[in-house]
Amino acid sequence: EVRLVESGGGLIQPGGSLRLSCAASGFSVSGSYIGWVRQSPGKGLEWVSIVYSAGGTYYADSVKGRVTLSRDTSKNTLYLQMNSLRVDDTALYYCANAPWGQGSFDVWGQGTAVTVSS
Amino acid sequence: DIQLTQSPSTLSASVGDRVTIVCRASQSIDNWLAWYQQKPGKVPKRLIFKASYLDSGVPSRFSGSGSGTEFTLTISSLQPDDFATYYCQQFNRNSLFTFGPGTKVDLK
Repeated sequence: EVRLVESGGGLIQPGGSLRLSCAASGFSVSGSYIGWVRQSPGKGLEWVSIVYSAGGTYYADSVKGRVTLSRDTSKNTLYLQMNSLRVDDTALYYCANAPWGQGSFDVWGQGTAVTVSS
Repeated sequence: DIQLTQSPSTLSASVGDRVTIVCRASQSIDNWLAWYQQKPGKVPKRLIFKASYLDSGVPSRFSGSGSGTEFTLTISSLQPDDFATYYCQQFNRNSLFTFGPGTKVDLK
């Protein structure tokens, strides 16, 4: 069974840093297109970042320069390093898999909540 | 960047109704469009990918159509489990992924 489990969220002050993790099972993160989608409280879905199987990483303009996506193939885990956090980064962050050739996300984790507040 | 609009933003319907939601892209995206259903407090669930391909396990009352800049999600006979918010999402090699603002389907 394909499964994604996020962790690492929490309460952080503006300007702080946080690293989110997404542990995958049932498939290899190194062979997949996998990324992050966030949802601010009461709002819609916003794509954040994705890594392609060949290694290319891409970021939404709203987070570019402040976040870094990486993979640890030995742990089959995806990471999102978030720096210079802002109040408007407050959201539920979902890890999601995007099968090659489909251009969309078929499997989602349960999400990890990030709250940026002083 | 490619923008997506959805109409209506809210749709009030009854069980058994035929429901149609429209998603429009600011430029052509061929058939790179997906539809998701999200219920309050739940994870989004993909229903349709590449405009018209139904995900495994999704009831056949859901269907998607369109190409280029205009797409529709149709529920042929609305069921109690279908009251939710629906999002479209596009993929483009330049702007990558964008979600629409959502359409809430509620009980009339």
